[in-house]
Amino acid sequence: EVHLLESGGGLVQPGGSLRLSCAASGFTFSCCAVSWVRQGPGKGLEWVSTVSNGGGSTYYADSVKGRFTISRDNSKNTLYLQMNSLRAEDTAVYYCARNSGINRGEWFFDYWGQGTLATVSS
Amino acid sequence: QSVLTQPPSVSGAPGQRVTISCTGSSSNIGTGYDVHWYQQLPGTAPKLLIYGNTNRPSGVPDRFSGSKSGTSASLAITGLQAEDEADYYCQSYDSSLSGSYVFGTGTKVTVL
Repeated sequence: EVHLLESGGGLVQPGGSLRLSCAASGFTFSCCAVSWVRQGPGKGLEWVSTVSNGGGSTYYADSVKGRFTISRDNSKNTLYLQMNSLRAEDTAVYYCARNSGINRGEWFFDYWGQGTLATVSS
Repeated sequence: QSVLTQPPSVSGAPGQRVTISCTGSSSNIGTGYDVHWYQQLPGTAPKLLIYGNTNRPSGVPDRFSGSKSGTSASLAITGLQAEDEADYYCQSYDSSLSGSYVFGTGTKVTVL
């Protein structure tokens, strides 16, 4: 059974940093691209970032480009999101999700973790 | 900042049929990119409901169906049940700028 477990959320001041992790199990982690999707309080879903199966290609939403860095360690079956220069509007539940589909334009998210809450506030 | 527009809410009595629209543009659905749908029950993570416009993952009841035409897509729920009360989101790929994955604004389904 595919399982994704996020960790690393918490309270951080504006301008601060946070590193999220997502431990994957139940599938061959290196098979698939994986992503971060966030949901602000009472808001809808927003795609944040995706990393290819080998880690060589990364993609970011304009709202986080230059501040967030996605990475993965296939030897540890773990996905990461380094979040710097955090703003109040980055407050959200961050979900990791496995990508499925043949190519980048067809990707969808077939398995999701339970999410971890990151709160940016002074 | 969602580029896919959905109605904020739809409702129906048990057993009825409801539909949720997802309207995009020429840079996403209109280009031919697939539409996918997710169900988010209260307090839980989203779950894949429909992929590739019309396909249901294993375990999803056939009461749920998807379609796509032009720059729009739709999710239909037939034989509405109390357990279907949830938020529903469409998702596609947008080729504008550097390319990104876009979600719809979300629709709350209420079972009367």
